[in-house]
Amino acid sequence: AQSVTQLGSHVSVSEGALVLLRCNYSSSVPPYLFWYVQYPNQGLQLLLKYTSAATLVKGINGFEAEFKKSETSFHLTKPSAHMSDAAEYFCAVSDTGGFKTIFGAGTRLFVKA
Amino acid sequence: DAGVTQSPTHLIKTRGQHVTLRCSPISGHKSVSWYQQVLGQGPQFIFQYYEKEERGRGNFPDRFSARQFPNYSSELNVNALLLGDSALYLCASQREWEGSAEAFFGQGTRLTVV
Repeated sequence: AQSVTQLGSHVSVSEGALVLLRCNYSSSVPPYLFWYVQYPNQGLQLLLKYTSAATLVKGINGFEAEFKKSETSFHLTKPSAHMSDAAEYFCAVSDTGGFKTIFGAGTRLFVKA
Repeated sequence: DAGVTQSPTHLIKTRGQHVTLRCSPISGHKSVSWYQQVLGQGPQFIFQYYEKEERGRGNFPDRFSARQFPNYSSELNVNALLLGDSALYLCASQREWEGSAEAFFGQGTRLTVV
């Protein structure tokens, strides 16, 4: 069965510092991997997705993630945090059949001025 | 183009009642999925519909049911509401039924069961 583990329910960084949000997955088949962001009282917005085309994936708002099969990881990074990045971030995995997408528990990012 | 729209945005129900939540996908999208997001947790998959047929079901009791209409809109029904059903219910639409397809989410329906 597929699963997603996000390490750290809360991450706090200073404005301008590196953002690193960790995600590990388990899947018996090559997965599709996603990062979504959720702002308060809103739905989820796709940041980026991995579909096997390239291991380093660039997304919106300066975020990127690297797929590492050997580590079963798909960590999200951003070189310089901005106050507007404060939100909840979810890593998700989907199988090739598209039956369902499994989400991690989420990581809340705090950005300090 | 309008995004995914859900109605109502908020509602309060009493234990034992029934509720119907509605979702209109993005124009041209044929797949609709429903998720339950309890406060402080990630979304949990409930159902996926594609071309009016159920294609996937999560680990939810039979009190939860859904359907998709010819215009691809969808309803989620929950019977015999429990306090634990209080959550944000999210609808997502995809253009096609495939794992790589980006899911576009609505803003959700906040259900409170008292």
